[in-house]
Amino acid sequence: GQQVMQIPQYQHVQEGEDFTTYCNSSTTLSNIQWYKQRPGGHPVFLIQLVKSGEVKKQKRLTFQFGEAKKNSSLHITATQTTDVGTYFCAAGGTSYGKLTFGQGTILTVHP
Amino acid sequence: NAGVTQTPKFQVLKTGQSMTLQCAQDMNHEYMSWYRQDPGMGLRLIHYSVGAGITDQGEVPNGYNVSRSTTEDFPLRLLSAAPSQTSVYFCASSGDRRNEKLFFGSGTQLSVL
Repeated sequence: GQQVMQIPQYQHVQEGEDFTTYCNSSTTLSNIQWYKQRPGGHPVFLIQLVKSGEVKKQKRLTFQFGEAKKNSSLHITATQTTDVGTYFCAAGGTSYGKLTFGQGTILTVHP
Repeated sequence: NAGVTQTPKFQVLKTGQSMTLQCAQDMNHEYMSWYRQDPGMGLRLIHYSVGAGITDQGEVPNGYNVSRSTTEDFPLRLLSAAPSQTSVYFCASSGDRRNEKLFFGSGTQLSVL
């Protein structure tokens, strides 16, 4: 089945530093979603990317979908303590709703 | 709207016991699914449903059963609990085929001793 690799598994940053997590697939993806899970919470949808080369921004967060639709990234500029949590990518496949999640990147922000 | 409601929040079982994790959504979503979350493994799809009366297997279906008799409810049954099923379980729903945004429940932390 479809596999999605997400790196890094952990990232520790000082508040104010930037952060990036990457998601890679060996197959072409129909779309990719990003979720954030706060410690002890449940995943919350952030965004969906569909088009090749698409770039979307949400305040300090920048999301990119690769030209070949096989990779994606989430970049946070000037991290804040409120950014702590686990960030997941989720790849859409050929079947409706059958999303494949990456392993997640656990972000820790030191004040 | 309550969104996606999961019960119970915590459960401890002994090996071999059976139980049902409940999931209900009040958003009239046609798609519902169950994931388990284990450290370093991300979220893995157990079973999913694209509408009442329709279910299908995900990535890790063994040891679990589901049914979808109504649009609102999608219970997950553990037939004979095993320690390997110790995990956090999340139910999720989606209502739009073009934007498969998932709405997650608050999760059930299950321990099997």
